[in-house]
Amino acid sequence: AQKVTQAQTEISVVEKEDVTLDCVYETRDTTYYLFWYKQPPSGELVFLIRRNSFDEQNEISGRYSWNFQKSTSSFNFTITASQVVDSAVYFCALSEAGNNAGNMLTFGGGTRLMVKP
Amino acid sequence: KAGVTQTPRYLIKTRGQQVTLSCSPISGHRSVSWYQQTPGQGLQFLFEYFSETQRNKGNFPGRFSGRQFSNSRSEMNVSTLELGDSALYLCASSSSQGVKTQYFGPGTRLLVL
Repeated sequence: AQKVTQAQTEISVVEKEDVTLDCVYETRDTTYYLFWYKQPPSGELVFLIRRNSFDEQNEISGRYSWNFQKSTSSFNFTITASQVVDSAVYFCALSEAGNNAGNMLTFGGGTRLMVKP
Repeated sequence: KAGVTQTPRYLIKTRGQQVTLSCSPISGHRSVSWYQQTPGQGLQFLFEYFSETQRNKGNFPGRFSGRQFSNSRSEMNVSTLELGDSALYLCASSSSQGVKTQYFGPGTRLLVL
C-alpha cells in the first residue's frame, strides 16, 4: 500500500523567510510519480510539480525548489523568500507509473503554510 | 484551454436524499477522477473513469457511484446521504497520453443537514 506523510501540519513564517515543507512516502512500486499541489482558500488544487521516480534531479522554478531523495523516500519543497500569496495548504501526493496503472493519487495530510507580512 | 469545471459549486441537502455532481474535464482529457476532502480524513480517492469505464475504485461504500459519458464528462452520485458525506468533492482530469498529471476543478462543497 502507498502512504504519504507530511509531518508538519502547520507552519508560520514571516514574509521573506525561506521555508521547507517535508514529504516522506512509502511505496512498493519500482516506478512512481510524486507531486506537489497547492490549495488556496478557494479550494481548488493547483498543480505545482511532478517528479518521476527514476529522475532524482532537483528542480528549481523561480522561488520554488524541490529536493527528491530516493534513498530516504523524501520529496521536500522549499519556498525561498516567502510571500503572503504563498499562504495556502500544500499537499504532497504519490501515484503509480505505467500505462495500466490508471490515475489514483495518494495524498499526504497537507501542510498549512501561513506567511505573515 | 479551459480548465476542469464542476457544477454545482455549493449544495445543501438533508440526510437520506441523493445528490448528483457533475464534472467537465479539460478538452481532450479522457480520464476523470473524483476525490473527497474532509477535515478528518483528508483527501481520499473515490474512483476514476476512463473511456466510460471505471478503471480504479477507492474504499468507499456502494452509495457512492459514478459514470462517464462519451464526451468524457463525468457525474458522481451519492445516495442516501449521511451527515459524514459533508465534504468538498474534487474532480480531476488527465490526458491518456504520457505522464498522468491530474488537473483539478474548483470542487463542489456539499453540506448534509
